[in-house]
Amino acid sequence: GAVVSQHPSWVICKSETSVKIECRSLDFQATTMFWYRQFPKQSLMLMATSNEGSKATYEQGVEKDKFLINHASLTLSTLTVTSAHPEDSSFYICSAREPGTFGYTFGSGTRLTVV
Amino acid sequence: DAKTTQPPSMDCAEGRAANLPCNHSTISGNEYVYWYRQIHSQGPQYIIHGLKNNETNEMASLIITEDRKSSTLILPHATLRDTAVYYCIVRVALGSGNTPLVFGKGTRLSVIA
Repeated sequence: GAVVSQHPSWVICKSETSVKIECRSLDFQATTMFWYRQFPKQSLMLMATSNEGSKATYEQGVEKDKFLINHASLTLSTLTVTSAHPEDSSFYICSAREPGTFGYTFGSGTRLTVV
Repeated sequence: DAKTTQPPSMDCAEGRAANLPCNHSTISGNEYVYWYRQIHSQGPQYIIHGLKNNETNEMASLIITEDRKSSTLILPHATLRDTAVYYCIVRVALGSGNTPLVFGKGTRLSVIA
């Protein structure tokens, strides 16, 4: 089945540094990828929709200048958390749908801890 | 997308069937019922989906009531590895368009030895 590879699986960074998270679709092309954020004991919250070759669409309340999304190819989308702060510590997850299939495939997630 | 209601948590003895209910009384005729689960610190995993007929695959069975206002996900022989949060999602067929999945709070299933 479709696989979405996400890395790193966990990262610890200092405040006001930037962190990049990569999400790759393996064996299929994903024109659209979705980025979610999940705080402890809460559900997944959609942050943004990443479209290949165009600007991402952000959900209300998500700072586009802080969470930079780049979808430069049909198999790779990146999320960069800029000037990270402790409140950005969370579990970040990407997903994509293999064309012609009925389900979404999710990455394994990235646990970000900002100290 | 129609709204779903699930119990916040459930326990199940290992080896027994786990029956997870979901209410979706406002479901539309073209909306499917999808089930995903999320094991701790992992991304969600697709389980099963259906429109109106009952469905079964290697992971689970999905029973949808005749009026489609509720459904039940059945894990026939729960194991400790089935401990996870289970999400019931109702929406139009995922094959159409590229709109994201919207997650509710789900049911936290604890399988107990």
